[in-house]
Amino acid sequence: DAGVTQSPTHLIKTRGQQVTLRCSPISGHKSVSWYQQVLGQGPQFIFQYYEKEERGRGNFPDRFSARQFPNYSSELNVNALLLGDSALYLCASTVANSYEQYFGPGTRLTVT
Amino acid sequence: AQRVTQPEKLLSVFKGAPVELKCNYSYSGSPELFWYVQYSRQRLQLLLRHISRESIKGFTADLNKGETSFHLKKPFAQEEDSAMYYCALSTFTFSGNTGKLIFGQGTTLQVKP
Repeated sequence: DAGVTQSPTHLIKTRGQQVTLRCSPISGHKSVSWYQQVLGQGPQFIFQYYEKEERGRGNFPDRFSARQFPNYSSELNVNALLLGDSALYLCASTVANSYEQYFGPGTRLTVT
Repeated sequence: AQRVTQPEKLLSVFKGAPVELKCNYSYSGSPELFWYVQYSRQRLQLLLRHISRESIKGFTADLNKGETSFHLKKPFAQEEDSAMYYCALSTFTFSGNTGKLIFGQGTTLQVKP
């Protein structure tokens, strides 16, 4: 198993554009979480999905949305990009009834 | 408020010296605490979880509920320990399979030869 995978690896967008980031969890993991990591800070929770339902949302504006598909993969969408959205976006998957989260390599988003 | 604080951004020690990375937390419930590590050009990975009370790569961490701390320790640092270390608090509940990790800002450990 390759672990949690994310695509793309890097992305450059312009202010006002929209972006979609993708995540594939470890096989058998039904929960996916998204985190934003700004340079020099720890990861900040954005969303958690379990069995295709949103189970948690962090303190992020409505420009951020996500969904989980029947195969448990997930997408994070960000609309109307701002310079401050530039960050490393991490996806983590968790097997049911476990605290342990396994992280992907992240997608580096740069907004110019 | 739920919060994790790592007071040191950078900790620099010589090889063979003891290491202690500090972590304090604020949480109203019963905390589940973790240490994650990120080596250069690698993904974030779990190092320790307090519930298992295990030692990984010579590191240990003890939960002190009285001082609300979960400091990471190693008696003799190695150069390969150089990395970014994050303390994290989990709010997961099994009943709803819902929750999140709350991370501290991280401490860079630099082990000099």
